[in-house]
Amino acid sequence: NAGVTQTPKFQVLKTGQSMTLQCAQDMNHEYMSWYRQDPGMGLRLIHYSVGAGITDQGEVPNGYNVSRSTTEDFPLRLLSAAPSQTSVYFCASSRDRGNEQFFGPGTRLTVL
Amino acid sequence: AQRVTQPEKLLSVFKGAPVELKCNYSYSGSPELFWYVQYSRQRLQLLLRHISRESIKGFTADLNKGETSFHLKKPFAQEEDSAMYYCALGRQGGSEKLVFGKGTKLTVNP
Repeated sequence: NAGVTQTPKFQVLKTGQSMTLQCAQDMNHEYMSWYRQDPGMGLRLIHYSVGAGITDQGEVPNGYNVSRSTTEDFPLRLLSAAPSQTSVYFCASSRDRGNEQFFGPGTRLTVL
Repeated sequence: AQRVTQPEKLLSVFKGAPVELKCNYSYSGSPELFWYVQYSRQRLQLLLRHISRESIKGFTADLNKGETSFHLKKPFAQEEDSAMYYCALGRQGGSEKLVFGKGTKLTVNP
């Protein structure tokens, strides 16, 4: 199993550009989440999904969209990138409620 | 509202010394607490969770509901313990989302 994979590893955008961060898992996990990690702020939940077709907002959802058309994939979309979205983004999945979350390797995004 | 506080951003100890990483939480329901660790250039991974009552890599953590704390302890720190540690809070019985603290960077000096 590859576990949780994320692409790209690094990305530089200009303000106003759009892009999609990809996340996939091959463990047949129902729960998937997106976090951003900022110095001094820890990990903050952006969006999460409890299964295909079901998504909900986390702590910092503004500026981000998600969809969950399949169990395996949970892409995160930035419609109009802003410098405040410069961060490291982590995707995570878990089998079900209360279980260990498995994290991807992260995507380091810089918005100029 | 759920909240996790890790009061120390940085913690530095010498090899062989005891180490304690503090975590306090605020939650009106029944909590489930976790410690996650991120070693340099590696992804976050679960270190331990309070319901399993395990000792992982020599670390233990006890949930103290009276003090709303879940401090991580190790009697003799090793250099390979140097990492970023995050305390996380969920709801007992399971929750779709976790609330993480801001993290403590532990450095174990030789």
